[in-house]
Amino acid sequence: KNQVEQSPQSLIILEGKNCTLQCNYTVSPFSNLRWYKQDTGRGPVSLTIMTFSENTKSNGRYTATLDADTKQSSLHITASQLSDSASYICVVMNSGGYQKVTFGTGTKLQVIP
Amino acid sequence: KAGVTQTPRYLIKTRGQQVTLSCSPISGHRSVSWYQQTPGQGLQFLFEYFSETQRNKGNFPGRFSGRQFSNSRSEMNVSTLELGDSALYLCATFTGAGNTGELFFGEGSRLTVL
Repeated sequence: KNQVEQSPQSLIILEGKNCTLQCNYTVSPFSNLRWYKQDTGRGPVSLTIMTFSENTKSNGRYTATLDADTKQSSLHITASQLSDSASYICVVMNSGGYQKVTFGTGTKLQVIP
Repeated sequence: KAGVTQTPRYLIKTRGQQVTLSCSPISGHRSVSWYQQTPGQGLQFLFEYFSETQRNKGNFPGRFSGRQFSNSRSEMNVSTLELGDSALYLCATFTGAGNTGELFFGEGSRLTVL
């Protein structure tokens, strides 16, 4: 069964600090992995995409890593800002007959001043 | 170009009523999928439509139904509402080919059942 697990479930950090969110998946056959940011009451927005051959990708202060061997990904946020307060959802897509998507339950990040 | 548009953004219903939510995908996109999001369950897949045909369905009761029109706009309907149906309902359109596919989400419809 395809599964995506995220940790921690929630996290509180001080503004300016760094943090790392984790995602473990058992999706096969693997197509890509995306990290989405979801502000409260809004729709999720894609931050990064990782394909099988990629192991690091950055988008501003966000850096995603992928280890396809261990089926793990991480999202590192540098110099956090209050606007980073959101839920971060790991989404893994497989390459079945038509695209299939498995969602993690998300990590709720709160950045406090 | 316009993104995925969902209406209404907020609505309040009472138990036993029914509700219809609308989703207009990005222009030219024919795939529309619907998700229910609750605090404890995360995003749960409801169904997916492509060119007016439902091609995948999640594990929800028959009270949840949907359809897609020839212009790719989609509606979902929930009949005989229950308190547990209170959630954010998200619509998404799939785009891309190969291993770069992406789901673009709308802002959601927040349903509260009293």
